[in-house]
Amino acid sequence: DTAVSQTPKYLVTQMGNDKSIKCEQNLGHDTMYWYKQDSKKFLKIMFSYNNKELIINETVPNRFSPKSPDKAHLNLHINSLELGDSAVYFCASSSPATGANVLTFGAGSRLTVL
Amino acid sequence: LAKTTQPISMDSYEGQEVNITCSHNNIATNDYITWYQQFPSQGPRFIIQGYKTKVTNEVASLFIPADRKSSTLSLPRVSLSDTAVYYCLVGMDTGRRALTFGSGTRLQVQP
Repeated sequence: DTAVSQTPKYLVTQMGNDKSIKCEQNLGHDTMYWYKQDSKKFLKIMFSYNNKELIINETVPNRFSPKSPDKAHLNLHINSLELGDSAVYFCASSSPATGANVLTFGAGSRLTVL
Repeated sequence: LAKTTQPISMDSYEGQEVNITCSHNNIATNDYITWYQQFPSQGPRFIIQGYKTKVTNEVASLFIPADRKSSTLSLPRVSLSDTAVYYCLVGMDTGRRALTFGSGTRLQVQP
């Protein structure tokens, strides 16, 4: 019964390809996020959606396009992959009921661009 | 957003109490202080959150002085399984601005 699940867990691809990472949460949360963790372990917010509405977009290249078909899903599509996109991408969710600063994270999706 | 400063790493032994201090000199009135734990190959996990004074749960205690310019996460009697990276974050509890994670403190617990 994974609360926040991401697929795939590992993704290896060539530069220039397009790939997607999917995220689903079964917690009934209203807000979902994408974070990127680079090789130095810094976690940076990329996007945040609240009830399918984009509320945070932290100067991420427009090659990255989030899509939220419903409030339980937030997918990340990346076009024209670059070497610098290699990182672990974490999906997370939160709810006003538990506090907007209390995030539940997925296990991460490790993207390697060759 | 309030910037946080915490030690890069700490070492401890099993059974000891570990205190990790975080500085956040420009914390705003509406900011909360939140701590997360991250094990290798896993996503961060919420540990504890507070606004002022002391908060305690089954995992840890959080001490916040009156000026709120720092906070201390206290882990009682650590075990090997507490080896992880601990992040201190400061921000408003609104959901309109996502939490910013710093570099964290890498805690290594030895037997």
